[in-house]
Amino acid sequence: GAVVSQHPSRVICKSGTSVKIECRSLDFQATTMFWYRQFPKKSLMLMATSNEGSKATYEQGVEKDKFLINHASLTLSTLTVTSAHPEDSSFYICSARSPDGLGEKLFFGSGTQLSVL
Amino acid sequence: SQQGEEDPQALSIQEGENATMNCSYKTSINNLQWYRQNSGRGLVHLILIRSNEREKHSGRLRVTLDTSKKSSSLLITASRAADTASYFCATDYTGTASKLTFGTGTRLQVTL
Repeated sequence: GAVVSQHPSRVICKSGTSVKIECRSLDFQATTMFWYRQFPKKSLMLMATSNEGSKATYEQGVEKDKFLINHASLTLSTLTVTSAHPEDSSFYICSARSPDGLGEKLFFGSGTQLSVL
Repeated sequence: SQQGEEDPQALSIQEGENATMNCSYKTSINNLQWYRQNSGRGLVHLILIRSNEREKHSGRLRVTLDTSKKSSSLLITASRAADTASYFCATDYTGTASKLTFGTGTRLQVTL
């Protein structure tokens, strides 16, 4: 099946620093990837849609300058949390559409737990 | 918000028992999907049911969909300790997975 790799799995950083999270489709090409944020024991909230070769589409309320998304190749999307603050601490998950059929299903990375001190 | 509601929020059962989780949603959909998430991990796709389907099976999983009530249920039969996880329904009104809306989740605990 399709495999999506995400890393790092865990990162602890100081307030004010930037953190980059990578999401790779290992055995298929993904023109579109999705970035979600999840708070403890809560549901996933879509942050943005990452489009290969073009600008990402952000959901309402998500700061574009805060959460920079780059999708430079068909297998890699990155999310950079710029000038991170404690309120940015969260679990971030990426996903890509299944490469088969209609692409209705999502394959997820294993997530990144970000802790900002 | 178009987020679906799931109930119960938490469910604790013994191994061998069946587990039933329910999902209600608000808008018309193209399909509804169920995902599983182990603690601190990503989600894994379990099953997809289309709006014109009423029931679907996959191994020990049985999903029903009632579009008139805008609700779905996930039944896990003969549960195992390894089924312990959070289960999320996700609704897709576009059919392209571009706007999957996830429910609030049910945390299932299966004890020996």
